Amino acid sequence: EPEVTQTPSHQVTQMGQEVILRCVPISNHLYFYWYRQILGQKVEFLVSFYNNEISEKSEIFDDQFSVERPDGSNFTLKIRSTKLEDSAMYFCASRPDGDHQPQHFGDGTRLSIL
Amino acid sequence: AQSVTQPDIHITVSEGASLELRCNYSYGATPYLFWYVQSPGQGLQLLLKYFSGDTLVQGIKGFEAEFKRSQSSFNLRKPSVHWSDAAEYFCAVATYSSASKIIFGSGTRLSIRP
Repeated sequence: EPEVTQTPSHQVTQMGQEVILRCVPISNHLYFYWYRQILGQKVEFLVSFYNNEISEKSEIFDDQFSVERPDGSNFTLKIRSTKLEDSAMYFCASRPDGDHQPQHFGDGTRLSIL
Repeated sequence: AQSVTQPDIHITVSEGASLELRCNYSYGATPYLFWYVQSPGQGLQLLLKYFSGDTLVQGIKGFEAEFKRSQSSFNLRKPSVHWSDAAEYFCAVATYSSASKIIFGSGTRLSIRP
């Protein structure tokens, strides 16, 4: 069964540095998402992406965050200048077109900011 | 605004015993509801979903959930748990925006007593 893949599984970065988290969604999916889960807290929506543009973003997704689909297969989340509070598990998800299609999640990237 | 409440933070049941995890939602229209499971260090796996039709839905791994509109609930059940069911369980609702972002509950951690 096709799945969403995320790399790396764990990223350690110094505060203030830029980080790029990578995702390969399922190939025929058209909607892409990023969520994050701070340790011990609930999973929170960050951003959704469709037709090469952001369709919705949360208040968490400020100017330090950006997303890109640089080619036909990858979907990336960039944090320009990381802060300690960015430490979290970041999940990528994708879903196909059509109503009521469930999102499929990757295994996540654990981001640790030092 | 949409929200999901899981009142039980942690539940412990004996192997072979029945299980019910509670979930209440707040949503103005007919909700699109999910249960996801997250094993330690893993991603989010979809157990089951509900949009319309039969209010009792069957999922993977022997789980089922019942939608009760009058109680705004979508409780997850399993008649006999196995040690491998130990995990974090998230109830979630999808919005009807074009992005269909998912709003998660805070999760219930399930432990299995041998």
